[in-house]
Amino acid sequence: QQQVKQSPQSLIVQKGGISIINCAYENTAFDYFPWYQQFPGKGPALLIAIRPDVSEKKEGRFTISFNKSAKQFSLHIMDSQPGDSATYFCAASIRSNFGNEKLTFGTGTRLTIIP
Amino acid sequence: NAGVMQNPRHLVRRRGQEARLRCSPMKGHSHVYWYRQLPEEGLKFMVYLQKENIIDESGMPKERFSAEFPKEGPSILRIQQVVRGDSAAYFCASSPNSPLHFGNGTRLTVT
Repeated sequence: QQQVKQSPQSLIVQKGGISIINCAYENTAFDYFPWYQQFPGKGPALLIAIRPDVSEKKEGRFTISFNKSAKQFSLHIMDSQPGDSATYFCAASIRSNFGNEKLTFGTGTRLTIIP
Repeated sequence: NAGVMQNPRHLVRRRGQEARLRCSPMKGHSHVYWYRQLPEEGLKFMVYLQKENIIDESGMPKERFSAEFPKEGPSILRIQQVVRGDSAAYFCASSPNSPLHFGNGTRLTVT
């Protein structure tokens, strides 16, 4: 119920191409879906996030598409650049009985952008 | 996120020793979360604390692990009698609410 499944595990995209990472969830009580970017040796940094009341959110080259009926959401990186090479994690959270946002993370996608 | 400070960055312990990981939240944040990241895996929630209170420890192993967030000073994650399976990156995050801001982690290696 709490699992978030992420694919692919690794992805190689040419510079200028579109990178697409997909996630699926089971628990319909999730109400917040962030994407985190992590560089080697660093902590995850929030990239973009969406609530289930909208189907798409765009910030610069990054877009989240959200399909509530299919319980799926995806990250699209347009015009991918070598600096985008990192590990990307989707996550989902539900406000717990204690009032905190408890994030459940996917297993990550290692993205490599080649020239 | 440079605002959440964790130390040490790397920690090596022999089996059976104690590990202490420290986290100073971003200025003005009174909520601290600890997550653990095993190699090639996503982060797993461990514990959520506010000043002087453990609010949600549903992700903490039942034995050897403890956490505190005193009125003064950093939050501490303590692992007693470490075993090889404790080798991981431990991340602290802070927030007033959403979103969470993560530190750069402590990489614990148990030899």
